[in-house]
Amino acid sequence: NAGVTQTPKFQVLKTGQSMTLQCAQDMNHNSMYWYRQDPGMGLRLIYYSASEGTTDKGEVPNGYNVSRLNKREFSLRLESAAPSQTSVYFCASNGGLGNTEAFFGQGTRLTVV
Amino acid sequence: GDSVTQMEGPVTLSEEAFLTINCTYTATGYPSLFWYVQYPGEGLQLLLKATKADDKGSNKGFEATYRKETTSFHLEKGSVQVSDSAVYFCALSSYGQNFVFGPGTRLSVLP
Repeated sequence: NAGVTQTPKFQVLKTGQSMTLQCAQDMNHNSMYWYRQDPGMGLRLIYYSASEGTTDKGEVPNGYNVSRLNKREFSLRLESAAPSQTSVYFCASNGGLGNTEAFFGQGTRLTVV
Repeated sequence: GDSVTQMEGPVTLSEEAFLTINCTYTATGYPSLFWYVQYPGEGLQLLLKATKADDKGSNKGFEATYRKETTSFHLEKGSVQVSDSAVYFCALSSYGQNFVFGPGTRLSVLP
């Protein structure tokens, strides 16, 4: 009964380094999302994927890329990390049209120094 | 675009007090409305939801009613417990996609 699984849980990067955040869901959901959470700003959508093979930009996509590897997995890549990308990142999924609520992973706390 | 406004807090209450967290929204269509809760160090969990006007969502003593005329979805609980201390997020979704979240309200309940 895993739901949405994110790895890693914590990460420290130096400015300019790259990394990929992994996300997998086992609920056969069509739609997957990446959010970042910053104090006082709620959750802001970075990218989403409405179905396997499609991805779209959200509110704050700059500095990020995504890959919808298959129906289960949706990864987020930082090519050249910046201190402004210090945040908590959440992956979420839902069934798509007609299936309303989103299910969230436990989050990845990323610090860029 | 769609947006959600909620009181940011922090809100500090004594145990057994009445809780209200206000939430209003702007949306072009007929969204579904949600309250999510986040406990320290964890992801967001769905607390309750409502999918159409006048629906009441309820769970664990919390309630919220979808008010289309006032575009509101206020969260209430009659008697809070220390274990309710968390951050609460109001959110909307149109057609099951593109979730939009409010800034979150931190609730602290003192014994």
